[in-house]
Amino acid sequence: DGGITQSPKYLFRKEGQNVTLSCEQNLNHDAMYWYRQDPGQGLRLIYYSQIVNDFQKGDIAEGYSVSREKKESFPLTVTSAQKNPTAFYLCASSTTGPYNEQFFGPGTRLTVL
Amino acid sequence: AQKVTQAQTEISVVEKEDVTLDCVYETRDTTYYLFWYKQPPSGELVFLIRRNSFDEQNEISGRYSWNFQKSTSSFNFTITASQVVDSAVYFCALSVVVMDSSYKLIFGSGTRLLVRP
Repeated sequence: DGGITQSPKYLFRKEGQNVTLSCEQNLNHDAMYWYRQDPGQGLRLIYYSQIVNDFQKGDIAEGYSVSREKKESFPLTVTSAQKNPTAFYLCASSTTGPYNEQFFGPGTRLTVL
Repeated sequence: AQKVTQAQTEISVVEKEDVTLDCVYETRDTTYYLFWYKQPPSGELVFLIRRNSFDEQNEISGRYSWNFQKSTSSFNFTITASQVVDSAVYFCALSVVVMDSSYKLIFGSGTRLLVRP
């Protein structure tokens, strides 16, 4: 089945540790995105990539890093520099263009203890 | 400024009632796209509808309907005869140009709909 997978669904880490969230898609989409969602709030864009080996900072990129070495994969690393990393993280993909809907993965809930 | 406002934080209705979710947007673009997504308790966002700025026709899909009015910068969503399965958070979003022909979605803060049996 075509879609987006994110793993793991739940992730617990100690404060000060880096952690990498996985996002894989088999929809052959060029564009991929990472969002952060906090309770009772909308989605905020962390990073996005329109093409392999290229990515841009979104609205809240500080404390995060990404790579886009393959079209199918867009992993997000939450570094120790991120002051408040506990949140729900959603990955999405789409074909390029402003009119194309984004398809979302099931999300990863990160809790930093 | 380019933003999306969903002023209703939470709405609670009894099953079979009709309910309207409001969305007001601001954009400097003359061509733009608006979206509605549903986020059920599982967390994954589900695409519901897309509307471009040139098409002001209302749309109906089963129990769902959308009213797009450029004059008031609104793109409201109505669920007719609501059901318990409609309980979710609903997001309105606006597609904006970032740079070099790349685009991003700006999301509203969402409206949590609770449909009680």
